[in-house]
Amino acid sequence: AQSVTQLDSQVPVFEEAPVELRCNYSSSVSVYLFWYVQYPNQGLQLLLKYLSGSTLVKGINGFEAEFNKSQTSFHLRKPSVHISDTAEYFCAVSGSFNKFYFGSGTKLNVKP
Amino acid sequence: DVKVTQSSRYLVKRTGEKVFLECVQDMDHENMFWYRQDPGLGLRLIYFSYDVKMKEKGDIPEGYSVSREKKERFSLILESASTNQTSMYLCASSTGPGRGELFFGEGSRLTVL
Repeated sequence: AQSVTQLDSQVPVFEEAPVELRCNYSSSVSVYLFWYVQYPNQGLQLLLKYLSGSTLVKGINGFEAEFNKSQTSFHLRKPSVHISDTAEYFCAVSGSFNKFYFGSGTKLNVKP
Repeated sequence: DVKVTQSSRYLVKRTGEKVFLECVQDMDHENMFWYRQDPGLGLRLIYFSYDVKMKEKGDIPEGYSVSREKKERFSLILESASTNQTSMYLCASSTGPGRGELFFGEGSRLTVL
């Protein structure tokens, strides 16, 4: 089975500071990688995805992520966060196995 | 606008009751999923379906069953609810296999007393 590790359960950061949310996965086969965001009392929505091609992927709301095959990582970054980015972020992996595996989530708390 | 609709946002049930959680998608997706979300555990797959009347167990199927009689509808059934099934339940759909993103419903928060 695949596994996804999000190393930080909570990340506090001040507004306008940069942030990185870390994600590592275990897989020996080709995978597709995703970051989802969940605002309070809502379902998850897609931030960005890596399917193939360029390893730097840009998503909505100024987020980007870099796929690193040798380190099996897919870290999410934003150069300057806003209060409205406060949410929980989930990394996920899928592939030919037709399932999605999720990490345990990282709560981003942006402080004024 | 694409949409996955879960019939109930909040439910309170008693131990031993039969519970139905319903999910409808309007995107003609082949694949549908039921996840359970608990704090610190992320999302865990209960069941998924890749076609009408087809289903596969996920990672935590015990105590649950599913039904997919029509392509757009995927139901999760708790035959006899227990307190350890108190959780947030998320339905999702996608094109397959694996490349397409998941589209989620708003979630159903179930409390079993």
